[in-house]
Amino acid sequence: GQSLEQPSEVTAVEGAIVQINCTYQTSGFYGLSWYQQHDGGAPTFLSYNALDGLEETGRFSSFLSRSDSYGYLLLQELQMKDSASYFCAVRDNAGNMLTFGGGTRLMVKP
Amino acid sequence: EPEVTQTPSHQVTQMGQEVILRCVPISNHLYFYWYRQILGQKVEFLVSFYNNEISEKSEIFDDQFSVERPDGSNFTLKIRSTKLEDSAMYFCASSMTEVNYGYTFGSGTRLTVV
Repeated sequence: GQSLEQPSEVTAVEGAIVQINCTYQTSGFYGLSWYQQHDGGAPTFLSYNALDGLEETGRFSSFLSRSDSYGYLLLQELQMKDSASYFCAVRDNAGNMLTFGGGTRLMVKP
Repeated sequence: EPEVTQTPSHQVTQMGQEVILRCVPISNHLYFYWYRQILGQKVEFLVSFYNNEISEKSEIFDDQFSVERPDGSNFTLKIRSTKLEDSAMYFCASSMTEVNYGYTFGSGTRLTVV
């Protein structure tokens, strides 16, 4: 079966850098996505990595190592509004279905 | 910015009743999805829909569930006979092409089965 592991909770201070890790075990692999979800809100797409390496989008970067079945989301210059849950999600076949991890709750403190 | 619209935002229904959750995907998107999230848990895939037919479905999406695109804009999820364990937030999503460009999720329908 499929499994994705993420830390359940991370705490950091405003202005700091935080890394949220995701390891996966899936029958196939086409790509790793990251989504942000504020309490009571809908998941919002952040990034997608299909190839190894780092993708940067503003303050957020996402990294993938397919040989290690591992990726991470890096958030820089943390702001209070970054307090949310962050989900990694794997596309494990040629279709468009995503399998989500359990989510990491990020708390940013002043 | 284009949005995926879901109605209603909250639905309370009695066990055994049928419910229909409605979604209006982004107009030029081709792929449509339903996911659900039980409170405090991860987002789970239910079904994907493309070219007027189901393209993938999960084990959760059993005979009690069905989807329809009755016209050019709406995309519905029907649960025929609701169970207590169907209580969850149901998210509709759409995407232009493949998932690497990301889904756009709607704000969800909170379904409570009593």
